[in-house]
Amino acid sequence: QKEVEQNSGPLSVPEGAIASLNCTYSDRVSQSFFWYRQYSGKSPELIMSIYSNGDKEDGRFTAQLNKASQYVSLLIRDSQPSDSATYLCAAYSGNTGKLIFGQGTTLQVKP
Amino acid sequence: DTGVSQDPRHKITKRGQNVTFRCDPISEHNRLYWYRQTLGQGPEFLTYFQNEAQLEKSRLLSDRFSAERPKGSFSTLEIQRTEQGDSAMYLCASSSTRISYNEQFFGPGTRLTVL
Repeated sequence: QKEVEQNSGPLSVPEGAIASLNCTYSDRVSQSFFWYRQYSGKSPELIMSIYSNGDKEDGRFTAQLNKASQYVSLLIRDSQPSDSATYLCAAYSGNTGKLIFGQGTTLQVKP
Repeated sequence: DTGVSQDPRHKITKRGQNVTFRCDPISEHNRLYWYRQTLGQGPEFLTYFQNEAQLEKSRLLSDRFSAERPKGSFSTLEIQRTEQGDSAMYLCASSSTRISYNEQFFGPGTRLTVL
């Protein structure tokens, strides 16, 4: 079992819709969680961090964390074609210092 | 505001050659990480430093790989006797222990192609 799992997609949504990206993790000691956006051929860009159960909103992005269910999600409202990218979920365990990444979900926003 | 920088951005080498990559972290960050990413996968952790101390190494980091951060600023990653399986994007990230929860910021990466 992978430590962080994501559906590889592609997830296709029309422009203006809400895109919902999901991630599960297996290590209960994971303390904080991150969403990175990665355009083709580029490096990951941090877009959201979440540490506590519940929702965290930043502009069009909302991250949701449920530690009991070991589940993290990212909602993108009013999706734009420029949001088309791979979205990487990562879990951080303070014991090791490293981020554990899922394989990423490819999002396609169609005009 | 200067982000993480990496050099070179691209490297093509022949199998068996040695290569060295450099990473300059965000100036106030005391932690520096190396990851490797292959096509269709998320980044995989290789190693990290806090200041000049190397605190964690992945089992992925074979004897052919070595990393240094001699003065707690920039870091180098060397791969000796490269193999075709080493072809990947090598990513460097940095973070600060003075900021909670270890947000890591990535550089542009070095794309290595081993022929």
